[in-house]
Amino acid sequence: GDSVTQMEGPVTLSEEAFLTINCTYTATGYPSLFWYVQYPGEGLQLLLKATKADDKGSNKGFEATYRKETTSFHLEKGSVQVSDSAVYFCALSESGGSNYKLTFGKGTLLTVNP
Amino acid sequence: GAGVSQSPSNKVTEKGKDVELRCDPISGHTALYWYRQSLGQGLEFLIYFQGNSAPDKSGLPSDRFSAERTGGSVSTLTIQRTQQEDSAVYLCASSLGLSGVGELFFGEGSRLTVL
Repeated sequence: GDSVTQMEGPVTLSEEAFLTINCTYTATGYPSLFWYVQYPGEGLQLLLKATKADDKGSNKGFEATYRKETTSFHLEKGSVQVSDSAVYFCALSESGGSNYKLTFGKGTLLTVNP
Repeated sequence: GAGVSQSPSNKVTEKGKDVELRCDPISGHTALYWYRQSLGQGLEFLIYFQGNSAPDKSGLPSDRFSAERTGGSVSTLTIQRTQQEDSAVYLCASSLGLSGVGELFFGEGSRLTVL
Protein backbone atom coordinates (compact mmCIF):
# COMPACT_ATOMS: atom_id res chain seq x y z
CA GLY A 1 0.00 0.00 0.00
CA ASP A 2 0.89 3.66 -0.11
CA SER A 3 3.29 4.97 2.49
CA VAL A 4 5.17 8.11 3.46
CA THR A 5 8.54 8.22 5.18
CA GLN A 6 9.87 11.43 6.64
CA MET A 7 12.98 12.21 8.59
CA GLU A 8 12.70 11.59 12.27
CA GLY A 9 13.01 14.48 14.61
CA PRO A 10 13.30 16.33 16.65
CA VAL A 11 15.04 19.00 14.60
CA THR A 12 16.45 21.96 16.50
CA LEU A 13 17.68 25.03 14.66
CA SER A 14 18.68 28.57 15.42
CA GLU A 15 16.68 31.44 14.00
CA GLU A 16 17.57 32.25 10.36
CA ALA A 17 19.02 28.80 9.74
CA PHE A 18 18.19 26.80 6.62
CA LEU A 19 15.62 24.03 7.02
CA THR A 20 15.21 20.77 5.15
CA ILE A 21 12.81 18.04 6.19
CA ASN A 22 13.09 15.00 3.96
CA CYS A 23 10.03 13.11 2.74
CA THR A 24 9.85 10.14 0.41
CA TYR A 25 6.83 8.17 -0.63
CA THR A 26 5.72 4.87 -2.08
CA ALA A 27 2.60 4.88 -4.20
CA THR A 28 1.09 3.43 -7.32
CA GLY A 29 0.16 5.87 -10.00
CA TYR A 30 0.52 9.60 -9.51
CA PRO A 31 -0.44 10.77 -6.05
CA SER A 32 -0.88 14.33 -4.90
CA LEU A 33 1.57 15.37 -2.19
CA PHE A 34 1.09 17.64 0.80
CA TRP A 35 2.78 19.16 3.79
CA TYR A 36 0.63 19.80 6.85
CA VAL A 37 1.76 21.74 9.92
CA GLN A 38 0.56 21.47 13.50
CA TYR A 39 1.40 24.45 15.68
CA PRO A 40 1.33 23.96 19.46
CA GLY A 41 -2.23 23.69 20.73
CA GLU A 42 -3.75 23.87 17.27
CA GLY A 43 -5.16 21.47 14.68
CA LEU A 44 -3.28 20.40 11.60
CA GLN A 45 -3.45 22.81 8.70
CA LEU A 46 -2.42 22.54 5.10
CA LEU A 47 0.92 24.25 4.45
CA LEU A 48 1.43 23.50 0.76
CA LYS A 49 0.68 20.94 -1.90
CA ALA A 50 1.71 19.70 -5.35
CA THR A 51 -0.48 17.63 -7.61
CA LYS A 52 1.86 16.51 -10.39
CA ALA A 53 5.51 15.83 -11.09
CA ASP A 54 7.85 18.85 -11.06
CA ASP A 55 5.20 21.05 -9.43
CA LYS A 56 6.51 23.26 -6.65
CA GLY A 57 4.25 24.06 -3.73
CA SER A 58 5.04 27.14 -1.69
CA ASN A 59 3.59 29.06 1.24
CA LYS A 60 4.91 31.22 4.09
CA GLY A 61 8.45 30.95 2.74
CA PHE A 62 8.33 27.15 2.66
CA GLU A 63 8.78 25.22 -0.59
CA ALA A 64 8.62 21.62 -1.73
CA THR A 65 9.06 20.16 -5.21
CA TYR A 66 7.34 16.98 -6.39
CA ARG A 67 10.17 14.75 -7.67
CA LYS A 68 8.77 11.67 -9.34
CA GLU A 69 12.19 10.28 -10.26
CA THR A 70 13.28 10.19 -6.62
CA THR A 71 9.72 9.83 -5.17
CA SER A 72 10.45 12.74 -2.86
CA PHE A 73 8.80 15.91 -1.62
CA HIS A 74 11.34 17.54 0.68
CA LEU A 75 10.29 20.63 2.62
CA GLU A 76 12.68 23.59 2.65
CA LYS A 77 12.84 27.08 4.06
CA GLY A 78 15.73 29.45 3.65
CA SER A 79 15.49 31.23 6.99
CA VAL A 80 13.41 29.82 9.82
CA GLN A 81 11.78 31.85 12.55
CA VAL A 82 10.84 30.98 16.12
CA SER A 83 7.21 31.02 15.01
CA ASP A 84 7.92 28.09 12.64
CA SER A 85 8.30 25.78 15.64
CA ALA A 86 5.72 23.06 15.03
CA VAL A 87 5.23 19.49 13.92
CA TYR A 88 5.38 18.99 10.14
CA PHE A 89 3.62 16.10 8.39
CA CYS A 90 4.19 14.92 4.86
CA ALA A 91 1.18 13.25 3.25
CA LEU A 92 -0.10 11.84 -0.01
CA SER A 93 -3.47 11.15 -1.51
CA GLU A 94 -3.82 8.20 -3.82
CA SER A 95 -4.54 8.67 -7.44
CA GLY A 96 -7.60 6.94 -8.80
CA GLY A 97 -10.85 5.95 -7.14
CA SER A 98 -9.96 6.28 -3.47
CA ASN A 99 -8.19 9.60 -3.71
CA TYR A 100 -10.01 11.08 -0.77
CA LYS A 101 -7.85 9.35 1.81
CA LEU A 102 -4.64 10.97 3.03
CA THR A 103 -1.73 8.82 4.12
CA PHE A 104 0.55 10.66 6.55
CA GLY A 105 4.12 10.33 7.65
CA LYS A 106 4.93 10.17 11.37
CA GLY A 107 5.66 13.87 11.67
CA THR A 108 8.82 15.85 12.39
CA LEU A 109 9.04 18.16 15.39
CA LEU A 110 10.87 21.38 14.59
CA THR A 111 12.07 23.70 17.34
CA VAL A 112 13.58 27.04 16.40
CA ASN A 113 15.54 28.86 19.09
CA PRO A 114 16.08 32.64 19.15
CA GLY B 1 -18.16 28.24 14.23
CA ALA B 2 -15.55 28.87 11.59
CA GLY B 3 -13.56 25.68 12.10
CA VAL B 4 -13.96 22.02 12.93
CA SER B 5 -15.05 21.60 16.53
CA GLN B 6 -14.35 18.50 18.61
CA SER B 7 -15.46 17.55 22.09
CA PRO B 8 -14.38 16.68 24.64
CA SER B 9 -10.87 18.03 24.28
CA ASN B 10 -9.68 15.61 26.96
CA LYS B 11 -11.21 12.39 28.21
CA VAL B 12 -9.86 10.10 30.89
CA THR B 13 -11.66 6.81 31.29
CA GLU B 14 -11.21 3.44 32.88
CA LYS B 15 -10.47 0.32 30.91
CA GLY B 16 -13.68 -1.36 29.81
CA LYS B 17 -15.81 1.78 29.69
CA ASP B 18 -17.42 3.13 26.54
CA VAL B 19 -16.57 6.60 25.23
CA GLU B 20 -18.12 8.91 22.65
CA LEU B 21 -16.22 11.60 20.81
CA ARG B 22 -18.02 14.29 18.88
CA CYS B 23 -17.11 16.23 15.76
CA ASP B 24 -18.86 19.23 14.28
CA PRO B 25 -17.46 19.89 10.78
CA ILE B 26 -17.26 23.12 8.87
CA SER B 27 -20.65 24.10 7.49
CA GLY B 28 -21.02 23.05 3.87
CA HIS B 29 -18.27 20.44 3.95
CA THR B 30 -19.64 17.17 2.67
CA ALA B 31 -16.69 14.98 3.59
CA LEU B 32 -15.74 14.05 7.16
CA TYR B 33 -12.79 12.00 8.35
CA TRP B 34 -11.61 10.50 11.61
CA TYR B 35 -7.92 9.89 12.21
CA ARG B 36 -6.03 8.65 15.23
CA GLN B 37 -2.72 10.16 16.28
CA SER B 38 -0.60 8.00 18.54
CA LEU B 39 2.75 8.98 19.94
CA GLY B 40 5.42 8.33 17.35
CA GLN B 41 2.95 6.72 14.94
CA GLY B 42 1.75 9.58 12.80
CA LEU B 43 -1.87 9.80 11.75
CA GLU B 44 -3.84 6.62 11.21
CA PHE B 45 -6.95 6.78 9.03
CA LEU B 46 -10.06 5.41 10.73
CA ILE B 47 -13.21 6.24 8.75
CA TYR B 48 -14.51 8.53 6.02
CA PHE B 49 -18.00 9.88 5.30
CA GLN B 50 -18.99 11.53 2.02
CA GLY B 51 -22.50 12.88 1.67
CA ASN B 52 -25.10 10.12 1.71
CA SER B 53 -22.71 7.43 0.48
CA ALA B 54 -21.84 4.42 2.59
CA PRO B 55 -18.86 5.30 4.80
CA ASP B 56 -15.42 3.84 4.25
CA LYS B 57 -14.76 1.99 7.50
CA SER B 58 -11.62 0.28 6.32
CA GLY B 59 -9.39 1.92 8.91
CA LEU B 60 -11.33 1.01 12.04
CA PRO B 61 -8.98 -1.18 14.12
CA SER B 62 -11.62 -3.44 15.64
CA ASP B 63 -15.37 -3.93 15.98
CA ARG B 64 -15.22 -1.98 19.25
CA PHE B 65 -14.95 1.14 17.11
CA SER B 66 -17.92 2.63 15.30
CA ALA B 67 -18.92 6.00 13.95
CA GLU B 68 -22.02 7.65 12.63
CA ARG B 69 -22.83 10.90 10.97
CA THR B 70 -26.28 12.27 11.50
CA GLY B 71 -27.96 14.52 8.96
CA GLY B 72 -24.77 14.82 6.98
CA SER B 73 -23.22 17.02 9.64
CA VAL B 74 -22.20 16.09 13.18
CA SER B 75 -20.33 12.84 13.67
CA THR B 76 -19.81 10.67 16.73
CA LEU B 77 -16.99 8.17 17.14
CA THR B 78 -17.78 5.51 19.72
CA ILE B 79 -15.26 3.19 21.32
CA GLN B 80 -16.74 0.35 23.33
CA ARG B 81 -14.97 -1.52 26.11
CA THR B 82 -11.93 0.74 25.89
CA GLN B 83 -8.45 -0.71 26.16
CA GLN B 84 -5.21 1.00 27.15
CA GLU B 85 -3.96 0.78 23.57
CA ASP B 86 -6.88 3.01 22.55
CA SER B 87 -5.15 5.93 24.28
CA ALA B 88 -4.41 8.50 21.58
CA VAL B 89 -5.55 11.80 20.12
CA TYR B 90 -8.57 11.36 17.88
CA LEU B 91 -8.68 13.91 15.11
CA CYS B 92 -11.64 14.88 13.00
CA ALA B 93 -11.33 16.67 9.69
CA SER B 94 -13.70 17.90 7.04
CA SER B 95 -13.36 18.92 3.42
CA LEU B 96 -15.36 19.95 0.42
CA GLY B 97 -15.36 16.38 -0.78
CA LEU B 98 -13.62 15.14 -3.87
CA SER B 99 -13.39 18.61 -5.33
CA GLY B 100 -11.12 19.57 -2.49
CA VAL B 101 -9.17 16.36 -2.29
CA GLY B 102 -6.29 16.56 0.15
CA GLU B 103 -7.28 19.92 1.61
CA LEU B 104 -8.53 18.74 4.94
CA PHE B 105 -9.43 21.06 7.77
CA PHE B 106 -8.69 19.52 11.14
CA GLY B 107 -10.08 20.05 14.59
CA GLU B 108 -7.81 20.27 17.61
CA GLY B 109 -8.53 16.70 18.55
CA SER B 110 -9.87 14.76 21.51
CA ARG B 111 -7.17 13.31 23.72
CA LEU B 112 -8.28 9.97 25.14
CA THR B 113 -6.48 8.38 28.06
CA VAL B 114 -7.52 4.90 29.13
CA LEU B 115 -6.32 3.93 32.60
